[in-house]
Amino acid sequence: SQQGEEDPQALSIQEGENATMNCSYKTSINNLQWYRQNSGRGLVHLILIRSNEREKHSGRLRVTLDTSKKSSSLLITASRAADTASYFCATDRSNAGNMLTFGGGTRLMVKP
Amino acid sequence: EAGVVQSPRYKIIEKKQPVAFWCNPISGHNTLYWYRQNLGQGPELLIRYENEEAVDDSQLPKDRFSAERLKGVDSTLKIQPAELGDSAVYLCASSPGQVGGELFFGEGSRLTVL
Repeated sequence: SQQGEEDPQALSIQEGENATMNCSYKTSINNLQWYRQNSGRGLVHLILIRSNEREKHSGRLRVTLDTSKKSSSLLITASRAADTASYFCATDRSNAGNMLTFGGGTRLMVKP
Repeated sequence: EAGVVQSPRYKIIEKKQPVAFWCNPISGHNTLYWYRQNLGQGPELLIRYENEEAVDDSQLPKDRFSAERLKGVDSTLKIQPAELGDSAVYLCASSPGQVGGELFFGEGSRLTVL
């Protein structure tokens, strides 16, 4: 079973616009990670946010975490056509040891 | 530094045939994972190794799936016999072993069962 659920499932925007993807989860976590997957490729780690953090930045990426609502968001600013990919959140649950559980992903298309 | 290497990248087989996938993790990474990713979905964990020991294989369908990680380095995942529903991408990932850390994924092995 998948711990995280991304919303929306698909998102289409124009280059230069911002893209926001949301992730909700069910149980307590140690941290939450976001990964990117280009079509036909493996997943690439983007950013990790710990349960005691509320916001984190990495280049054009901004991640927020609200543990009271069990949700996270990934914001990509000034999107580029090369950002077209699927984005997955993954949670490291407090009682699950060293194991990540992935959500179903958001498929982002950035039109040039 | 070489990444996680998987082979084959693509495999097409008839149902009931066996198939095996191989993974070479990043050097020094103690933890190795096998995930299965169905089309349009996120990866689902099949098995996790800490060195040679399988520490989480609760999601591995043990009637037809088997895995091994000899000497705590390379790993193989086998399906015998394959069923139509096994068509998916099988992803291998590794990590240095710290709890909750980043995973490094290979490119995956895409299996099509006809």
